[in-house]
Amino acid sequence: GQNIDQPTEMTATEGAIVQINCTYQTSGFNGLFWYQQHAGEAPTFLSYNVLDGLEEKGRFSSFLSRSKGYSYLLLKELQMKDSASYLCAVRETGNNRKLIWGLGTSLAVNP
Amino acid sequence: NAGVMQNPRHLVRRRGQEARLRCSPMKGHSHVYWYRQLPEEGLKFMVYLQKENIIDESGMPKERFSAEFPKEGPSILRIQQVVRGDSAAYFCASSPPVHENEQYFGPGTRLTVT
Repeated sequence: GQNIDQPTEMTATEGAIVQINCTYQTSGFNGLFWYQQHAGEAPTFLSYNVLDGLEEKGRFSSFLSRSKGYSYLLLKELQMKDSASYLCAVRETGNNRKLIWGLGTSLAVNP
Repeated sequence: NAGVMQNPRHLVRRRGQEARLRCSPMKGHSHVYWYRQLPEEGLKFMVYLQKENIIDESGMPKERFSAEFPKEGPSILRIQQVVRGDSAAYFCASSPPVHENEQYFGPGTRLTVT
């Protein structure tokens, strides 16, 4: 079956670092995506991993281990505006580009 | 370069009516995806289309729902005879023919069925 697991909620302090984990079990794998979604808004793309390792992009980094079916999103120097839901999605193999989505992790950044 | 456009942003329909949701992809993007998001739930894939072709509709309910992406004009998601359970946010995303790794989302249409 297909399953993507993320923690439901996390809380962190402004200026700190937070790591949001995602584990997946899918029938195939052709890339893992992280999106940010503020309440009532559209998801916005953050990162994409298809090979093992760490991808860094400014304050955000994403890590992938395909053998473990595991990824994390690392947010550094947290700001209040980072309070949002963070969605993990996996693209399966095949000709389609369908993404399978986790339920998202709601992050609250406190002052 | 304008982003993905969706209209209307909010749509209210009575049970039994039809809902038409429109999506204009980003310029140069020929791939469109429709997703549904229910309150407190994740995004659910519905359909993936290219111009004049449905590539994958495995997430679409078999009845009442249809989607198209004509050669000219926006992609349309059509829901016939709406029921209360259709109330949700419907997001459209688009991606270019190459550099397919990013899907750019529109602002969504929030459908309320009364």
